[in-house]
Amino acid sequence: GAGVSQSPSNKVTEKGKDVELRCDPISGHTALYWYRQSLGQGLEFLIYFQGNSAPDKSGLPSDRFSAERTGGSVSTLTIQRTQQEDSAVYLCASSLVGSSTGELFFGEGSRLTVL
Amino acid sequence: AQSVTQLDSQVPVFEEAPVELRCNYSSSVSVYLFWYVQYPNQGLQLLLKYLSGSTLVKGINGFEAEFNKSQTSFHLRKPSVHISDTAEYFCAVTLTGGGNKLTFGTGTQLKVEL
Repeated sequence: GAGVSQSPSNKVTEKGKDVELRCDPISGHTALYWYRQSLGQGLEFLIYFQGNSAPDKSGLPSDRFSAERTGGSVSTLTIQRTQQEDSAVYLCASSLVGSSTGELFFGEGSRLTVL
Repeated sequence: AQSVTQLDSQVPVFEEAPVELRCNYSSSVSVYLFWYVQYPNQGLQLLLKYLSGSTLVKGINGFEAEFNKSQTSFHLRKPSVHISDTAEYFCAVTLTGGGNKLTFGTGTQLKVEL
């Protein structure tokens, strides 16, 4: 596709269940980011993949959160044993090079609601 | 580590009036600065960016921002707003040198009224 694609667009789950959120970046973009957007909290950095380098996981809030990027393209963000405070919009972005010299292109996000 | 502060969570303004959205950053080293806009029910898109050179940068939709190193600010301005400018605006910073994550502020909701 022409832009960053995220799925599902909406996910409602019960507390304690695991969820997977998928991101398909723009073809050829080597950098991929996950952010979390909560009401009044702005955009919280979660994890950053750049090419074959080890990912920057410094923003992951707990060990229940993990992400992988297969084949340098599609990424999956996994949240295990979801909690109500995990409810947020999870945004994925990609760029051609590192963010400092290029523009980030964002998907429309996956809205997660944990009941 | 770098950080961004957007002091105004909401800014109401009448159509055709000027507007300034404030952004201050904190970093001990050189940075690149960005403004992103999120229209209702849409993803974020780049409004403008400062990498180097002229401190006054112009972006899409008539917006501009000025990098002020001494005041560590990167305020966003528009001389005359339109209803369609109603959106959330995010300031962001990253370290120069490549391969660094983008740190966002908490956002400013601009509401343009008739």
